[in-house]
Amino acid sequence: KQEVTQIPAALSVPEGENLVLNCSFTDSAIYNLQWFRQDPGKGLTSLLLIQSSQREQTSGRLNASLDKSSGRSTLYIAASQPGDSATYLCAVESWGKFQFGAGTQVVVTP
Amino acid sequence: SQTIHQWPATLVQPVGSPLSLECTVEGTSNPNLYWYRQAAGRGLQLLFYSVGIGQISSEVPQNLSASRPQDRQFILSSKKLLLSDSGFYLCAWSGGPEGLYEQYFGPGTRLTVT
Repeated sequence: KQEVTQIPAALSVPEGENLVLNCSFTDSAIYNLQWFRQDPGKGLTSLLLIQSSQREQTSGRLNASLDKSSGRSTLYIAASQPGDSATYLCAVESWGKFQFGAGTQVVVTP
Repeated sequence: SQTIHQWPATLVQPVGSPLSLECTVEGTSNPNLYWYRQAAGRGLQLLFYSVGIGQISSEVPQNLSASRPQDRQFILSSKKLLLSDSGFYLCAWSGGPEGLYEQYFGPGTRLTVT
């Protein structure tokens, strides 16, 4: 059974620092990995999708890498801002089903 | 563009009462549809998954059920709610013309069972 782990569970950084969020999974037989952002009381917003054949994906200040063989993905957020404060979740997809990690709660202090 | 709707946004129901949550998707056809529950401070738990009309897979044994009467409509139901059914319910869809299974979420329904 696929297990997805996100470390750390919570993270607090001063504004301007780079954020590094980790996601690991136990079964490398995945098709895609997706990173989401969730604000309190809201639904999930898709940030990046990495296909299994890709090593990384970039969107603005966000960069996500994927190493299938080691079962790891990392989300980098450059030059963090207070508006980046949220919970970040990763999900791995196999055969149309998604398995989520518990998330990393991020606080960026001004 | 695609849009996903959920309603109601919040709901307070007594134990033993019925439940019906609705989700609709616009701007795509034949999507995969999902119901998740998120308990306070926890990750998402997949409840139901559907690849087409009338095709429902249940992931977790419980007193909830799901139906897909139309291609872009997904309904979550219960005949008698339990206290443990409280949580944040999220509907999502995936699919697309290139077969990429990027998943998109609705705004969610906050259910409190009293």
